[in-house]
Amino acid sequence: SSELTQDPAVSVALGQTVRITCQGDSLRNYYATWYQQKPGQAPVLVIYGKNNRPSGIPDRFSGSNSGNTASLTITGAQAEDEADYYCNSRDRSGDLVVFGGGTKLTVL
Amino acid sequence: QVQLVQSGSELKKPGASVKVSCKASGYTFTTYAMTWVRQAPGQGLEWMGWINTNTGNPTFAQGFTGRFVFSLDTSVSTAYLQISSLKAEDTAVYYCARVRFYDSMWHFDSWGQGTLVTVSS
Repeated sequence: SSELTQDPAVSVALGQTVRITCQGDSLRNYYATWYQQKPGQAPVLVIYGKNNRPSGIPDRFSGSNSGNTASLTITGAQAEDEADYYCNSRDRSGDLVVFGGGTKLTVL
Repeated sequence: QVQLVQSGSELKKPGASVKVSCKASGYTFTTYAMTWVRQAPGQGLEWMGWINTNTGNPTFAQGFTGRFVFSLDTSVSTAYLQISSLKAEDTAVYYCARVRFYDSMWHFDSWGQGTLVTVSS
């Protein structure tokens, strides 16, 4: 099992706010990074660092950390946000990288 | 703009080897490390490790030592992943991605399109 734990599936009504979480001991010391992956496509970086969005990522995506939990919040979810979301961070040693198991987001 | 273009799908028999390429453009290749990520069919992302494109020094995740080799040809801005003694469980899409560092954490800001490696007799 991964050192980072994500809920396998989350759903949200169109236009509502959803929080996707990622839990792990390393998150007490390091930020999580978040990626979006749509079927048949490569992952796309959506949040990095404390709460930074790459160019082209809508501002409805935001990130936060509290204790051993990192969260990706989508404020006003859109149909095109339906995708798998993965967190990653450092592993327990702090020297390597580990991914969470991923969360499938369904927009109803 | 930054682009990572990977080689095409491969069909290999068990025990064979495969070499996947990842050609970078739009930036100075040796400035950023390159990472490799595996995704088995219907499964999540799995970090395999990375290679320092300046020194050629690789780092491997647990479970990716021995049969996996990362290499470079900096003259053509290309990173390679070679897998030997292929097994059915190596069947997956393999991604390369550029590594950046910010707020004490690495992130992968540009990804290749992925290369499907199928291992089947």
